[in-house]
Amino acid sequence: AQRVTQPEKLLSVFKGAPVELKCNYSYSGSPELFWYVQYSRQRLQLLLRHISRESIKGFTADLNKGETSFHLKKPFAQEEDSAMYYCALRGGGATNKLIFGTGTLLAVQP
Amino acid sequence: GAVVSQHPSWVICKSGTSVKIECRSLDFQATTMFWYRQFPKQSLMLMATSNEGSKATYEQGVEKDKFLINHASLTLSTLTVTSAHPEDSSFYICSARDLATGANVLTFGAGSRLTVL
Repeated sequence: AQRVTQPEKLLSVFKGAPVELKCNYSYSGSPELFWYVQYSRQRLQLLLRHISRESIKGFTADLNKGETSFHLKKPFAQEEDSAMYYCALRGGGATNKLIFGTGTLLAVQP
Repeated sequence: GAVVSQHPSWVICKSGTSVKIECRSLDFQATTMFWYRQFPKQSLMLMATSNEGSKATYEQGVEKDKFLINHASLTLSTLTVTSAHPEDSSFYICSARDLATGANVLTFGAGSRLTVL
C-alpha cells in the first residue's frame, strides 16, 4: 500500500538556521515523490519533485530509495519559508493518484 | 500556468440539504480530476478520482452515494454532498493535471469550505 509519513507536525527554527523536513514513504514499485507547500491563506502549490532534481527557493530534496526517504532541506531558513509542507507520493498506474503525508508546519522565527 | 477554479469558496447549508461544488480547469483540459477532503489542521485525504465521461473511482471508506461526482466535460467536475450533515463539514479541494504539459504535476484549486448547520 502507498503511504507517506511525516513524523513532525511542527518544526520551529530561527532565521538562518538549517532546515530538514522529514518524509518517509512506503511503496513497492518506483514512486514519484513531491513536496507541496501551502502558505497562509493560499492554495496548495508544488514546491519540487524528485525527478527534476532542482532547487526551488533554496530547497532541495533527494530521493533515497534505500532509506525510502525524501527529506526536504534548506541550508538557511528565511521567515517567508514559514508554511505547511506536505510530502506526496504518486504510485504507478494511469490514475495519477497522489497520496499526501500529514504535513509539517515550518515556523521560522526572526 | 494552469489554473484550477473552485466554486463556491465557502458555503453554509442546513442539515439534510445537498450542496454542489464545482471544479473547473480554466485554461487547460483535464480528463482526470481529484477530489480531496481536508479537516482542520490535518492532511489532505483523497476521496475520489473523477474521470471525464465515466464513473468516478472512490477511495476505500468514501460513500459514493453520499459524495456524487460528475465529470461532464474536460474542464468541469462537480462534487455533490447529498443530505449533508454536520460531520460533512470540511474543506474540499480539487486538483487536475494539465495533460498538454506532459508533466506529472497536479494543480490545486483554492478549496471550498462547507459548513453544515
